[in-house]
Amino acid sequence: DAKTTQPNSMESNEEEPVHLPCNHSTISGTDYIHWYRQLPSQGPEYVIHGLTSNVNNRMASLAIAEDRKSSTLILHRATLRDAAVYYCILRDVGIRTSGSRLTFGEGTQLTVNP
Amino acid sequence: NAGVTQTPKFQVLKTGQSMTLQCAQDMNHNSMYWYRQDPGMGLRLIYYSASEGTTDKGEVPNGYNVSRLNKREFSLRLESAAPSQTSVYFCASSEAEAGELFFGEGSRLTVL
Repeated sequence: DAKTTQPNSMESNEEEPVHLPCNHSTISGTDYIHWYRQLPSQGPEYVIHGLTSNVNNRMASLAIAEDRKSSTLILHRATLRDAAVYYCILRDVGIRTSGSRLTFGEGTQLTVNP
Repeated sequence: NAGVTQTPKFQVLKTGQSMTLQCAQDMNHNSMYWYRQDPGMGLRLIYYSASEGTTDKGEVPNGYNVSRLNKREFSLRLESAAPSQTSVYFCASSEAEAGELFFGEGSRLTVL
């Protein structure tokens, strides 16, 4: 089953861009790349997802490598409220998914300095 | 909009007791999920239901049972609670299996 790997922690300064990397070298052609974040004492919150092309929404941008073996979540101007754990996961489309592929790893703890 | 609602938010059990965590979503989603999160860890899938009438095991199903009561509701039952089941439990739903996940606020369970 495809897994993702992320750095345990990253640090940024307020109002600076943040690039959060994710490796998924065994990704399959039907895997969507999803990003979620989890604020302290809350449930995870959807951020963005994509398949092959780069994606933008009001929260962030997702840059997907041409070979799809890695991706980067971009927060254009970090704020203190962006301090959270960020998870990159793969979600399959089509046939019923193996349950293990829906598990979140430990994610990246983002610290934003004022 | 309520989204995904979990009850109870907090529960303390003694070893061997049973309980059911309730989850309901009002978004007409097909798929629903139960996760557990231990301190400092990511979320691990316990069970999921791709659509009404189906349930499948996730990564850590032992000690749990689930019921997809209808399209809205997906319950998680602990028949004989153990201290190792002390965790925060999250319910989630999505319109389709590969779709965006919407999470509840979590249920914090302590087993003494």
